[in-house]
Amino acid sequence: AQSVTQPDIHITVSEGASLELRCNYSYGATPYLFWYVQSPGQGLQLLLKYFSGDTLVQGIKGFEAEFKRSQSSFNLRKPSVHWSDAAEYFCAVGSGGYNKLIFGAGTRLAVHP
Amino acid sequence: NAGVTQTPKFQVLKTGQSMTLQCAQDMNHEYMSWYRQDPGMGLRLIHYSVGAGITDQGEVPNGYNVSRSTTEDFPLRLLSAAPSQTSVYFCASSPPRGQGYTFGSGTRLTVV
Repeated sequence: AQSVTQPDIHITVSEGASLELRCNYSYGATPYLFWYVQSPGQGLQLLLKYFSGDTLVQGIKGFEAEFKRSQSSFNLRKPSVHWSDAAEYFCAVGSGGYNKLIFGAGTRLAVHP
Repeated sequence: NAGVTQTPKFQVLKTGQSMTLQCAQDMNHEYMSWYRQDPGMGLRLIHYSVGAGITDQGEVPNGYNVSRSTTEDFPLRLLSAAPSQTSVYFCASSPPRGQGYTFGSGTRLTVV
């Protein structure tokens, strides 16, 4: 069965530091992969997606993610974190021809000034 | 362009009551889904639809019904509310093989 694992429940970084959020997936075929961000009390916003092609994908707000098939990973990165990046981040895999998303449990990011 | 609109934003139900969570999108998206979000569990798929008249079950469908009579609307019905259905519910829509799902702002439901 398809699944997504986000190993880190909480991460705290200092403003200006680099960030990497981990995501591992289990999926039999070439996956569609997504990262979403959720601010407190809000819905989810799409940061970036991977369907095929270049394994390094750029998203909004300065985020990027790299698809590594050999490691079944799709880690999210940002070179310099801003206080406004504090939020919860969800990795997801598109299942069943993309019409269903399977989410990880999320990683909550705190940013210290 | 309102995107995905969910109503109500907050709701308190008594055990055994029924209600319908409304979801409407104005982007002419074929795919629509309902998720519930619980602490530490991410989002879990309840039901989804790939077009008007077509629905299917997700991971956690028990206690919920859906129908899709139009492209725009995808209501979620709770048949007999239980405390285990206390959660935040999100509706989402997407074009097929498109640019990712667009989510509504959610409905926070409490069942007492």
